[in-house]
Amino acid sequence: AQRVTQPEKLLSVFKGAPVELKCNYSYSGSPELFWYVQYSRQRLQLLLRHISRESIKGFTADLNKGETSFHLKKPFAQEEDSAMYYCALVQGAQKLVFGQGTRLTINP
Amino acid sequence: EAGVAQSPRYKIIEKRQSVAFWCNPISGHATLYWYQQILGQGPKLLIQFQNNGVVDDSQLPKDRFSAERLKGVDSTLKIQPAKLEDSAVYLCASSLFLAGFNGEQYFGPGTRLTVT
Repeated sequence: AQRVTQPEKLLSVFKGAPVELKCNYSYSGSPELFWYVQYSRQRLQLLLRHISRESIKGFTADLNKGETSFHLKKPFAQEEDSAMYYCALVQGAQKLVFGQGTRLTINP
Repeated sequence: EAGVAQSPRYKIIEKRQSVAFWCNPISGHATLYWYQQILGQGPKLLIQFQNNGVVDDSQLPKDRFSAERLKGVDSTLKIQPAKLEDSAVYLCASSLFLAGFNGEQYFGPGTRLTVT
């Protein structure tokens, strides 16, 4: 069965330090992966999708099929990056399977 | 554009009672989803509609949960009777129907259900 694993429930880093949120997946075939983010008191929203290879708010994520990973990275963390981050995998027709999420806290 | 609307925002009920949630998706979005998010977990899909037809309800506990999307717009999710383990946030989301799904679902604010 397709599955998304985010091994860290909590991650705390200092402002200006690099950030890496881990995501591993199990999927047979070519996966489509995404990162969603939920800021405090806001709705869950799409942050970035692997297929577009974009950088949003300084975040990037590279799909590594050999390691079945899709880690989210940012070289210099900012306080406004504090949020819940969810990795998600497309399954079937427009269906997303979410990981359990990582709460990122950026300390000043 | 207006976002996905949900009501109520909060609901507290006793076990064995019934409850209903309402969702109004973004205008023009053919696909509508209901998710259950238990504290400390990611959203879990309960049911997916394409217009007014069900695409996937494999994880919907059909002995107590039901959902409908009459006329392919608004949707309601009902729980009857509720159990303690149903305490969660219920999220509604919608997306455009695209031949190549781009992964973007638009989420509502959620309804926080507490069953006592």
